[in-house]
Amino acid sequence: DGGITQSPKYLFRKEGQNVTLSCEQNLNHDAMYWYRQDPGQGLRLIYYSQIVNDFQKGDIAEGYSVSREKKESFPLTVTSAQKNPTAFYLCASSSTGTGANEQFFGPGTRLTVL
Amino acid sequence: AQRVTQPEKLLSVFKGAPVELKCNYSYSGSPELFWYVQYSRQRLQLLLRHISRESIKGFTADLNKGETSFHLKKPFAQEEDSAMYYCASGGTSYGKLTFGQGTILTVHP
Repeated sequence: DGGITQSPKYLFRKEGQNVTLSCEQNLNHDAMYWYRQDPGQGLRLIYYSQIVNDFQKGDIAEGYSVSREKKESFPLTVTSAQKNPTAFYLCASSSTGTGANEQFFGPGTRLTVL
Repeated sequence: AQRVTQPEKLLSVFKGAPVELKCNYSYSGSPELFWYVQYSRQRLQLLLRHISRESIKGFTADLNKGETSFHLKKPFAQEEDSAMYYCASGGTSYGKLTFGQGTILTVHP
């Protein structure tokens, strides 16, 4: 079940630490996305990237950072500035073109701050 | 900004009963609308999109521009339909989607 992978599956962090979540895709998609999933709040967009070396803030970017040095990879760093980082994080990718295209999702990473 | 509203957080029905998951959107242009589903222990996946006009696993969804709705319907629910369902809207920026809050559907035997 390849396509888009995320690691690790579970991640524990102490307060004040930065952590990086990995997202890799082999679908040759130009666009990649990071979402945060919280109960009752649905999926909220953190950052997205439509092409290598370019990315934009989503709706809840504060306390997060990303990079897009390779087409296949879009890591997300949760910094100590994120006030409530405990959540389930989903990465997705899609092809680009006119309009919105189907997004393919990874299995997710559950981050817990101790 | 686009908004997608799913008014029901939880929806319970019995097997064989009709089910309708509501979705309303706010977008003045021509939206592209999707339903995504997340079964237990599986990743989020596309169920259907309005431009394809398909019926997937017995589910259909009709875009009603007058009511700005894209409700998901199935005439006879099955236990395996139990899952989290998200409505999503796109169209303002290539590939970017706005998701609703999600509805957890439980189909009882």
